[in-house]
Amino acid sequence: GQNIDQPTEMTATEGAIVQINCTYQTSGFNGLFWYQQHAGEAPTFLSYNVLDGLEEKGRFSSFLSRSKGYSYLLLKELQMKDSASYLCAVLRNTGGFKTIFGAGTRLFVKA
Amino acid sequence: ETGVTQTPRHLVMGMTNKKSLKCEQHLGHNAMYWYKQSAKKPLELMFVYSLEERVENNSVPSRFSPECPNSSHLFLHLHTLQPEDSALYLCASSQDREHEQFFGPGTRLTVL
Repeated sequence: GQNIDQPTEMTATEGAIVQINCTYQTSGFNGLFWYQQHAGEAPTFLSYNVLDGLEEKGRFSSFLSRSKGYSYLLLKELQMKDSASYLCAVLRNTGGFKTIFGAGTRLFVKA
Repeated sequence: ETGVTQTPRHLVMGMTNKKSLKCEQHLGHNAMYWYKQSAKKPLELMFVYSLEERVENNSVPSRFSPECPNSSHLFLHLHTLQPEDSALYLCASSQDREHEQFFGPGTRLTVL
């Protein structure tokens, strides 16, 4: 089967750094997405990792370890507008591509 | 022109009503998706269309019926829904099934 785990909620302070972890167990793993979803809005794409290592994109970075079934999203210089849910999603390829979403991590940024 | 649009944004219906949700994408994508999002639950994939052909149907009750008349439009026809079907219904599209998805704003559905 498949399983994606991420913390339900996290709280961090404006200006700080926060790391949101995601672990997964799945067959046919192809890559891992991170999406951001503000309350009442649609998810928006942040990053996609297919190889091991860190991908940096401005204040956001995403890391993947395929051997450990582990990824994290790193947010630097936190801003109040970063308060949102962060969805980890695994792309599987088992005779056809399929994206499986985790339940998401709600991040609260406080002043 | 925004990428993925959905109408209506809000819908309240009785259990005996028939209604349809509409999704349109202006991105030239080949794949389109319907998701259900309930509070504190993961996004649930309902249907996937690739090049106008349904390629996935995740054990969705028959009271939900999708239709993809062309690569830019996707419908979700609803009939005899149950109160537990109340949720946010999101449409998404992607270049192909292995690429990132672009989501519409969703339809907030309430079944009375």
